[in-house]
Amino acid sequence: DAGVTQSPTHLIKTRGQQVTLRCSPKSGHDTVSWYQQALGQGPQFIFQYYEEEERQRGNFPDRFSGHQFPNYSSELNVNALLLGDSALYLCASSLKPGLYEQYFGPGTRLTVT
Amino acid sequence: GENVEQHPSTLSVQEGDSAVIKCTYSDSASNYFPWYKQELGKRPQLIIDIRSNVGEKKDQRIAVTLNKTAKHFSLHITETQPEDSAVYFCAASKPAESNFGNEKLTFGTGTRLTIIP
Repeated sequence: DAGVTQSPTHLIKTRGQQVTLRCSPKSGHDTVSWYQQALGQGPQFIFQYYEEEERQRGNFPDRFSGHQFPNYSSELNVNALLLGDSALYLCASSLKPGLYEQYFGPGTRLTVT
Repeated sequence: GENVEQHPSTLSVQEGDSAVIKCTYSDSASNYFPWYKQELGKRPQLIIDIRSNVGEKKDQRIAVTLNKTAKHFSLHITETQPEDSAVYFCAASKPAESNFGNEKLTFGTGTRLTIIP
């Protein structure tokens, strides 16, 4: 049973650039949530996708956008990167938004220089 | 919005002793409270969760208690072992206003637990 997978594992970008991160949910899951985890902090919710639509959004600017594909996989896009965007980006999947348990992927470590 | 506070930020416990981590939440509508364990460089792993219709849940050496009146919940680890060393996060969520599942998870700031051999 495949768990949540993310790619790439590490990424280094320059200020002002754009980045795309990818996530494949756990087998059987159809809901994907994205979180940003700064060093030494708890994960902060970015947004959630279900049925290819953004269902909920946290307090992140419009530079953060996403997409969900028919196979339930998802992308997180960040435009105009800032140094403060350096963090671990975690994807979590669940079976429907309402069935609570979320399982996290290994994350993508983004460094902005 | 929901605010989750977690204490202590660091905790050192002798191997075999018990560890307790406490969290408080602000929104009385919250009804789901998971606990995640995150080892260095790894993903957060769900270790136990509790819903607001129960006061306590146990899974082997791990237990979680919930006090809805006081809006706090705690993680208890008994007979601690070196492999329990990690950062532990509590979280909370509430039903979405759209009546479509639950809202986002709001996490605490984490507790770094160190088990001393």
